[in-house]
Amino acid sequence: DAKTTQPPSMDCAEGRAANLPCNHSTISGNEYVYWYRQIHSQGPQYIIHGLKNNETNEMASLIITEDRKSSTLILPHATLRDTAVYYCIVRVPYSNSGYALNFGKGTSLLVTP
Amino acid sequence: ETGVTQSPTHLIKTRGQQVTLRCSSQSGHNTVSWYQQALGQGPQFIFQYYREEENGRGNFPPRFSGLQFPNYSSELNVNALELDDSALYLCASSLVREGRAEQFFGPGTRLTVL
Repeated sequence: DAKTTQPPSMDCAEGRAANLPCNHSTISGNEYVYWYRQIHSQGPQYIIHGLKNNETNEMASLIITEDRKSSTLILPHATLRDTAVYYCIVRVPYSNSGYALNFGKGTSLLVTP
Repeated sequence: ETGVTQSPTHLIKTRGQQVTLRCSSQSGHNTVSWYQQALGQGPQFIFQYYREEENGRGNFPPRFSGLQFPNYSSELNVNALELDDSALYLCASSLVREGRAEQFFGPGTRLTVL
């Protein structure tokens, strides 16, 4: 699976958009970009995933560059409850040998009042 | 729809002992994965079970073993506990289907080895 690079930490004011970047320059054509987040002392939570088109759901939007070498997770109106560690993961959706999620260190997002 | 549950929530063991952690998958899911998360680190993949067979394993020694039952619940067993086994153990279930395999995580079991 391709390796990802994320900033270790970011701050965002409550009510503003939080834009979390992720670099994945070695991504291959069949690998998806997944985003998970982990609120302190809880299990990770799936947010969104995409292949090459931009995606939006009730939690967030995912913008993938045309060359697919980077992406941005957007939380449109951040709340204090969005304070968490955000993980960008690149991998194929499934393989016959199973599919581990390689979490890395993620970005610690702090939403401030 | 019932989410992923794990038991116990906390556990304290001593070095050399054995431990069994349990996980109930989300209804309808046929795959379960286990992860270990040390303090300050991201979760690390231990292994995955699909239809009661191990279907992928991370860089963990054989003293980490598992089972998946016909009802898709699962156990993680760790023998000969070491101090470094102290961590949050996470279970994740998923329904593998064409093009999609998001994993849904339980709250974890916090294991402390003294």
